[in-house]
Amino acid sequence: QVQLVQSGAEVKKPGASVKVSCKASGYTFTSYYMHWVRQAPGQGLEWMGIINPSGGSTSYAQKFQGRVTMTRDTSTSTVYMELSSLRSEDTAVYYCARGSDYAHSWGQGTLVTVSS
Amino acid sequence: QSVLTQPPSASGTPGQRVTISCSGSSSNIGSNTVNWYQQLPGTAPKLLIYSNNQRPSGVPDRFSGSKSGTSASLAISGLQSEDEADYYCAAWDDSLNGSSWVFGGGTKLTVL
Repeated sequence: QVQLVQSGAEVKKPGASVKVSCKASGYTFTSYYMHWVRQAPGQGLEWMGIINPSGGSTSYAQKFQGRVTMTRDTSTSTVYMELSSLRSEDTAVYYCARGSDYAHSWGQGTLVTVSS
Repeated sequence: QSVLTQPPSASGTPGQRVTISCSGSSSNIGSNTVNWYQQLPGTAPKLLIYSNNQRPSGVPDRFSGSKSGTSASLAISGLQSEDEADYYCAAWDDSLNGSSWVFGGGTKLTVL
């Protein structure tokens, strides 16, 4: 069965960077795009961008352009999302989600806390 | 401010039928398919409806979706207590700056 397993919770200081991983299993890794979506405490879902694991091409939400980098490692079926210049407003649960037009499978989420 | 507009809350009693609306524009709902996600407290979102009105396997047929013009709706019939959750609509939005995946602000469904 499809599984997306994300890395553990992180606590970062303002200005730092965080890199969250999402390891995929149960399907052909390069056959499906991967979204990254975040959810601040008590708030709704916010799209950050999408990566094509096949060629590595990416598309980022305008809000995160210049601060986010999505990469993949086909040898380990893992996608990564790195967010830099963290501020308190970046405190959120970050999800990877498989698909393009829609996200059929989601990771369990990774809580990133930004605090001095 | 979300690109897609949903009512912040909805409610119903067990057995009732409830609908949740999602309003957009020609650049998103008007030209792309709509998906719906259910998020139970403390868990990741779950795909409920894709391509406007398709249910993934395992989703009860009590859940149905529809789309007309620049609006979409999620209907839940035979409401059950376990349906109490947050519901989000989503669609691709095609603008001059490129494409982005947009969500509604979410609707909190309470089963009274």
